[in-house]
Amino acid sequence: GAGVSQSPSNKVTEKGKDVELRCDPISGHTALYWYRQSLGQGLEFLIYFQGNSAPDKSGLPSDRFSAERTGGSVSTLTIQRTQQEDSAVYLCASSLSGGYGYTFGSGTRLTVV
Amino acid sequence: KQEVTQIPAALSVPEGENLVLNCSFTDSAIYNLQWFRQDPGKGLTSLLLIQSSQREQTSGRLNASLDKSSGRSTLYIAASQPGDSATYLCAPVPLNRDDKIIFGKGTRLHILP
Repeated sequence: GAGVSQSPSNKVTEKGKDVELRCDPISGHTALYWYRQSLGQGLEFLIYFQGNSAPDKSGLPSDRFSAERTGGSVSTLTIQRTQQEDSAVYLCASSLSGGYGYTFGSGTRLTVV
Repeated sequence: KQEVTQIPAALSVPEGENLVLNCSFTDSAIYNLQWFRQDPGKGLTSLLLIQSSQREQTSGRLNASLDKSSGRSTLYIAASQPGDSATYLCAPVPLNRDDKIIFGKGTRLHILP
């Protein structure tokens, strides 16, 4: 596609429910990042996929968070048993390869009530 | 571990002024550095990408400089306009492109009409 697409754009969920956030990167981009941005805060790194390499999961805050990237394209970030502190904007970015310019999606605003 | 600092954290200036946003980073082993803007509630928009071999990069009223050895980059905005109001973030991209990108917390800019 022309840009990085994220869905849904907004998600309200009840505490304890699982949620899935989707990122569709630019076609052909091998690098894909997930970041989280809480209200008034900077970008917090979550996970990084680069080609066929094992993903860098060092930023995932707990084992309730997981992500996968199928076929080197679409990525899904899953949060199990959501907590109120998970409320944030989740941003996805892709790049042709690590080190090239990054394009961000518009994000998914997650609200846990 | 890369640490990125952006100064000032917030800035309000009258329309028409020229201004400088600063970014410093602790690990100078970078491949390139990218400047982004983020409008409230939106994703990140790429402004400029400056390669590690370059000293500066220009796009319209924006000029980014890079001093890799001292771990500094500046974003110069000429003749500021109210539409420039946004948060500006810098992101040094690691030389090892398998490493994750760490963002600064940004400078929140408000241009007064």
